[in-house]
Amino acid sequence: KNEVEQSPQNLTAQEGEFITINCSYSVGISALHWLQQHPGGGIVSLFMLSSGKKKHGRLIATINIQEKHSSLHITASHPRDSAVYICAVRYNYGGSQGNLIFGKGTKLSVKP
Amino acid sequence: NAGVTQTPKFQVLKTGQSMTLQCAQDMNHEYMSWYRQDPGMGLRLIHYSVGAGITDQGEVPNGYNVSRSTTEDFPLRLLSAAPSQTSVYFCASRRGRVNQPQHFGDGTRLSIL
Repeated sequence: KNEVEQSPQNLTAQEGEFITINCSYSVGISALHWLQQHPGGGIVSLFMLSSGKKKHGRLIATINIQEKHSSLHITASHPRDSAVYICAVRYNYGGSQGNLIFGKGTKLSVKP
Repeated sequence: NAGVTQTPKFQVLKTGQSMTLQCAQDMNHEYMSWYRQDPGMGLRLIHYSVGAGITDQGEVPNGYNVSRSTTEDFPLRLLSAAPSQTSVYFCASRRGRVNQPQHFGDGTRLSIL
C-alpha cells in the first residue's frame, strides 16, 4: 500500500524557534503538497513541489526525490503558525487520475 | 471570487436519513473531489470527477453517491446515514492538469446519531 508518513505527530515550540516537519513516502511520485489546516478547520495549499526547494515568506519546503523525503521548515515561528500541517503526494501510476494520498498531519502549537 | 463553497457547515442526522452535501466552485476547474477526515487518519478520497458527466470512486465510496451535471457543482449524497459516516467532509477542486494545487472548501461537520 502506498503510504505517506509524517513526523512528528505533535510539536510544541516557543515563539521564534526554527521548526521542521518531515514527510516520507514509499514509491515514485509526480508531486508532493504541503497543506495547512487552521484550528477553524479550513485547508490551504502552501506548496506543491516535485524537486528542489520552494520558499514563501518564513516557510520553506524541500524535497529529496532519491530519499523519498520532504521537509517543511518554519523560520522565526509565531503563535499564528499554530495549525495542522499535512503532507500529500500524487503517485506515479496509471489510472490514479492524479488523486492525492494524505499523511495524518502534524499538529503544531507555538507558544508565545 | 468565492473559490470552493460547501453547504451546510454543520448537520446532525438520524440513522437512516438521507441528505446531500453541496459543493460548488467558480474557478472553472475540471477536477473535483470529496474527502472525509476522521480523527487520527489522513484525508480519504470518497469520490472524484474529472469533468462534467464523469465520476469515479475513491478509497471509501460505500454509502455515498455523487453526480456531476455541471462543471461548477459536485454534490455528495448520503443514501442512508450510518453512525460510521460521522466525519468532517471536504470538497476540493483543481484544474484538469494533474500537478496543480487543490483548492478546498471550509468543510461540513456531519454527525449521525
